[in-house]
Formats: sequence, structure tokens, C-alpha cells
Amino acid sequence: SAVISQKPSRDICQRGTSLTIQCQVDSQVTMMFWYRQQPGQSLTLIATANQGSEATYESGFVIDKFPISRPNLTFSTLTVSNMSPEDSSIYLCSVQIRENSPLHFGNGTRLTVT
Amino acid sequence: GQNIDQPTEMTATEGAIVQINCTYQTSGFNGLFWYQQHAGEAPTFLSYNVLDGLEEKGRFSSFLSRSKGYSYLLLKELQMKDSASYLCAAMDSNYQLIWGAGTKLIIKP
Repeated sequence: SAVISQKPSRDICQRGTSLTIQCQVDSQVTMMFWYRQQPGQSLTLIATANQGSEATYESGFVIDKFPISRPNLTFSTLTVSNMSPEDSSIYLCSVQIRENSPLHFGNGTRLTVT
Repeated sequence: GQNIDQPTEMTATEGAIVQINCTYQTSGFNGLFWYQQHAGEAPTFLSYNVLDGLEEKGRFSSFLSRSKGYSYLLLKELQMKDSASYLCAAMDSNYQLIWGAGTKLIIKP
């Protein structure tokens, strides 16, 4: 498995501002994903972070709101832009070493928007 | 469409055995994963099944029947620390994970 460092672990932000979440892996991985988890609910995939190209977004998520970077095989960022209280959630970075291997998760970023 | 079903909540007694069921419908199939998630923490990987049968790992076992689109997670000798949500996820033909809503397991002394 890989060691995943995600930061910040939590933040309280004001409406209208943006927050960038970083995900660093200790080894090269094939796939990196960003998930959101609302309190008491399961995981919702936001997008697949593609190395060297634009991320692939799931239905309901757009690049203007959630820009993603992945400059190499070990690092990715997710920005939550123009935040509103509805964006309050846990955001999780996850990685997959190869196509049919398990996902491993970072510790998550607990975001509160006031 | 693609779908995962698992019970919302289960209650069991410390020291007992509990079985958490999961049924799935996916476009193609590349395996079934179980994750454990304690409140306020990230999910952690428990097991992976791609062939029919039972995989045992200590107190936890996972079973898969591909023909029935069915899996279960079996937890033996339950401990209070096993109180958590258990997430079932199936991987489709595109290697995308389809997640269940999770089963909240409550362990009582």
C-alpha cells in the first residue's frame, strides 16, 4: 500500500473564498481520485485526477467549482472555489496503485464553510 | 443502472458474530471491496474478492457469489472497537468503484 499525506486536515472558511487541498503519496500511483463525504453518507466521487491532463469529472461536478491539478504521479490538489455552506463536507484523496487494486485513502480534510 | 444495496444499520453484541450483506448490479465486474470507516476517519481497506468463495483474514471474512451478485462480510468475536460503518464497493468493467451507502454497525456490551 501507499502512504498518503493529505492537508490541511481541517479548515473553517468564509463564504466566497477558496481552499486548496493537497495530496502527496510516497510512491508513484496509477490513479488518484477525489471524493466527498457528507455527514452520515457514503462516498461521492468528484473526479479522477489525470497526470498531465484535465481531470475527469463526475456528473454534478465541474472544473470551475473544483479545479484539480496532478503535475506528476505522486501529487494532486483539489480546490474548492467560491465556497458556500453547502460545500461543508469531508474531502478525501484516494489512490490506486494499479487498475484492479484497492483504493487507499488519505485522512481527509474536514471543511466547514461559514 | 449500477447499484449497491446494504443494510443501513445493524446491532450486535460484544463477542458475537455478525454478517453484513451486500448485493450489487454493475456493468461488468472486476471485484468487490469492503472498507471499514470509524466516525470522523477515512475508510480503511478490509478485503477484496474477485473469485467466488470465502476469504478469511483473522476475525474478518468476506464471501462472494458472482452468479448471485452477492457478498457478505463476517465479523467474529466482536469487539467494541468494531463499531463503525462498513462500506461495500463493486468495481465495474471500467475499473470504476460503485459504492454502497454503508452499514453502521453498533456493538453493545
